[in-house]
Amino acid sequence: DAGVIQSPRHEVTEMGQEVTLRCKPISGHNSLFWYRQTMMRGLELLIYFNNNVPIDDSGMPEDRFSAKMPNASFSTLKIQPSEPRDSAVYFCASSFGDRGAQFETQYFGPGTRLLVL
Amino acid sequence: ILNVEQSPQSLHVQEGDSTNFTCSFPSSNFYALHWYRWETAKSPEALFVMTLNGDEKKKGRISATLNTKEGYSYLYIKGSQPEDSATYLCALDLTDSWGKLQFGAGTQVVVTP
Repeated sequence: DAGVIQSPRHEVTEMGQEVTLRCKPISGHNSLFWYRQTMMRGLELLIYFNNNVPIDDSGMPEDRFSAKMPNASFSTLKIQPSEPRDSAVYFCASSFGDRGAQFETQYFGPGTRLLVL
Repeated sequence: ILNVEQSPQSLHVQEGDSTNFTCSFPSSNFYALHWYRWETAKSPEALFVMTLNGDEKKKGRISATLNTKEGYSYLYIKGSQPEDSATYLCALDLTDSWGKLQFGAGTQVVVTP
């Protein structure tokens, strides 16, 4: 398997523009997680899905952020409008998400480095 | 939100020396504890997952132990090498979650030649 795939790897945009980050989880994984890494706050969980359904979005910073998972192999994280303080590395991770599976190791994608000017 | 605390925040180790650091967590609702290794400019990679009190896991020169009753885990690096330089994250998997992990802030390890 290719692992978790994220695109783009780097994004530079201007304040006020819409930004869409994409993630393809590992095939067969039922849970998908979006994280944000910043110097100040470390690794923060933004939202996660199980079987394409959002389970917990309490980490989404504000209404400018939205996430969707239309099918088992694709998810998007959208920021509209973007602001300079959104600059960070955004990671997507996936796991089996099945309590019948003993371990819930999360496998991380390479991240998208976002810079909002 | 449960506090997963890691200490120290950072440490510097001379090549060849051994070191260890701690992850502390509230022991209620415990299901599993994960250790991740996170190199600069890369993504976190899973090292170990432990579920049972007294669990010990080993991968090369890195090993970890778990005490669920007192709520802590130790990670040990034996004979540190420069390639061990990374941030080591521990994460708690709770029984009432859907695989959601509560990450600590990490211990940054710098191994100098």
